[in-house]
Amino acid sequence: DTEVTQTPKHLVMGMTNKKSLKCEQHMGHRAMYWYKQKAKKPPELMFVYSYEKLSINESVPSRFSPECPNSSLLNLHLHALQPEDSALYLCASSPTGLEEQYFGPGTRLTVT
Amino acid sequence: GNSVTQMEGPVTLSEEAFLTINCTYTATGYPSLFWYVQYPGEGLQLLLKATKADDKGSNKGFEATYRKETTSFHLEKGSVQVSDSAVYFCALKNAGGTSYGKLTFGQGTILTVHP
Repeated sequence: DTEVTQTPKHLVMGMTNKKSLKCEQHMGHRAMYWYKQKAKKPPELMFVYSYEKLSINESVPSRFSPECPNSSLLNLHLHALQPEDSALYLCASSPTGLEEQYFGPGTRLTVT
Repeated sequence: GNSVTQMEGPVTLSEEAFLTINCTYTATGYPSLFWYVQYPGEGLQLLLKATKADDKGSNKGFEATYRKETTSFHLEKGSVQVSDSAVYFCALKNAGGTSYGKLTFGQGTILTVHP
């Protein structure tokens, strides 16, 4: 099973809302990732968790707050977003940081 | 730093045509190389990979060979189908240092296959 699941599939939120994106994998992977993808562009790395600890933050604004409650779950908490934050948010996992990454289907976020 | 350069698209082919999408890279050390495919409205799927020089990755009729001497990892398929229409991303990952855990992507190549 090489499945990474993400919920919700679509999310529309206002600039004053607080929402969360959820990612889950049951492959025993110890590295998990958040990416942001704009249309017709490659994914941009936001955060990397390795063994449930934040190991990379690519200078992401504080209105994005990641959380890794356990080795299978990864959340992305959203607060006071801007319309330019509208994008496809992808979660990925890999056995450790060295191997290929497996991506979820993404959450399509629209900020109004 | 690391970088990946893909041929610019879009690429438009007729069904059963031969496909090549060029990918070259710049990296220190010995990176692993990947091709990912993204179908409309979906996330990325790993298509194939190669972890050392002269390795050939293959899957679903697609192939790519890790060429260290030319720093290339070109994607090929002998006969494309309409269902292959998607965006293809070449990517690399270094084994360690400050790049640990980071994939470097090319810009992506849009492929459209007509019946």
